[in-house]
Amino acid sequence: DVKVTQSSRYLVKRTGEKVFLECVQDMDHENMFWYRQDPGLGLRLIYFSYDVKMKEKGDIPEGYSVSREKKERFSLILESASTNQTSMYLCASRRQGGDEQYFGPGTRLTVT
Amino acid sequence: AQTVTQSQPEMSVQEAETVTLSCTYDTSENNYYLFWYKQPPSRQMILVIRQEAYKQQNATENRFSVNFQKAAKSFSLKISDSQLGDTAMYFCAFMKPKTSGSRLTFGEGTQLTVNP
Repeated sequence: DVKVTQSSRYLVKRTGEKVFLECVQDMDHENMFWYRQDPGLGLRLIYFSYDVKMKEKGDIPEGYSVSREKKERFSLILESASTNQTSMYLCASRRQGGDEQYFGPGTRLTVT
Repeated sequence: AQTVTQSQPEMSVQEAETVTLSCTYDTSENNYYLFWYKQPPSRQMILVIRQEAYKQQNATENRFSVNFQKAAKSFSLKISDSQLGDTAMYFCAFMKPKTSGSRLTFGEGTQLTVNP
């Protein structure tokens, strides 16, 4: 079974803090994705990566950055957390040429 | 750019009955993929069913089937014999052909509640 894990299920941070969200997949997938999920808005793509050290902006990259130093790990970074970044963050991975995306359990981030 | 619209934020159904969730999309592509994903409460999102646009036959997976109307750009999900475990948020999603960097575009989601 494909497994996508995220470092925390729940996280509470203060405004202005630097926040790291980690995602690891164990199926050697080339593509990895970070989404945020908000009620009524569905899932919106923040960033994705199709190879090590490669990244592309999604629909809402402002206020975020990413890092992919190893194939299995994709990190989302909030350089200076703000209250409007309070959300559920989902990581996903997909094999190159595949169509099914596998999701992690999500991290519910609260910024106070 | 592609857009995906789910016009039913919430739906409910009685156990053992049939329910249909709606999804429309907008694209200028001719070849693409459509998906329904399920997100149960506090559990990971999983793929329910997929449809390739070049296939005219509607996809089915056990109790789940789709009604794919390419000309109308409509992709509805029918759940037959609904079970309590079907209670979840359901997302419709679109993807262009499987090339490097292809990405999913999701709808807003429909919260389905199956009542005993």
